[in-house]
Amino acid sequence: ETGVTQSPTHLIKTRGQQVTLRCSSQSGHNTVSWYQQALGQGPQFIFQYYREEENGRGNFPPRFSGLQFPNYSSELNVNALELDDSALYLCASSLLAGGGETQYFGPGTRLLVL
Amino acid sequence: SQQGEEDPQALSIQEGENATMNCSYKTSINNLQWYRQNSGRGLVHLILIRSNEREKHSGRLRVTLDTSKKSSSLLITASRAADTASYFCATDLKSLGRLYFGRGTQLTVWP
Repeated sequence: ETGVTQSPTHLIKTRGQQVTLRCSSQSGHNTVSWYQQALGQGPQFIFQYYREEENGRGNFPPRFSGLQFPNYSSELNVNALELDDSALYLCASSLLAGGGETQYFGPGTRLLVL
Repeated sequence: SQQGEEDPQALSIQEGENATMNCSYKTSINNLQWYRQNSGRGLVHLILIRSNEREKHSGRLRVTLDTSKKSSSLLITASRAADTASYFCATDLKSLGRLYFGRGTQLTVWP
């Protein structure tokens, strides 16, 4: 167990809807990163939050947005859901935002868009 | 696009045998990490090797890094059925804390 939790574990939405996924980071970690993992693929970096500010973004459209709260927990919001958004969404926390830090992953939220 | 690529895509062995997985990457890195994932669940960090290191051990795991060939290998010795999982290498470009993963190697260990 990494101490990183995510909710919900599974979610079914229809195309066009909006979804919010939640992540609680490991105690003492101020950095949260979000990844999308499509079936049969490796995780793809979405964005990272460090001390409540976005600290880098991958190749994802603006309808993917996030927040980090003062307790360093985080949300991932996806608007106007598309079928291709169906995936496992993973969050990972780390002690610092810089490179060379081990990232501790949560169990993921599996999103299915119909 | 994937920064790292694991090889082979799938590996099937008997308990007790050694399993070797390889990872190739495209650009210079400061470190490379290996992760394990069971059945589409969360990733578990296995080992981090820095660019100035050539080999690292952790229990039954041995990781090597050859920066001149832009490749790394993960060796699991004396494999067990519980080692059945997907294994991913991840690179941290520019040391920004953003991991780029390959597609992974699916390892199956038969009892």
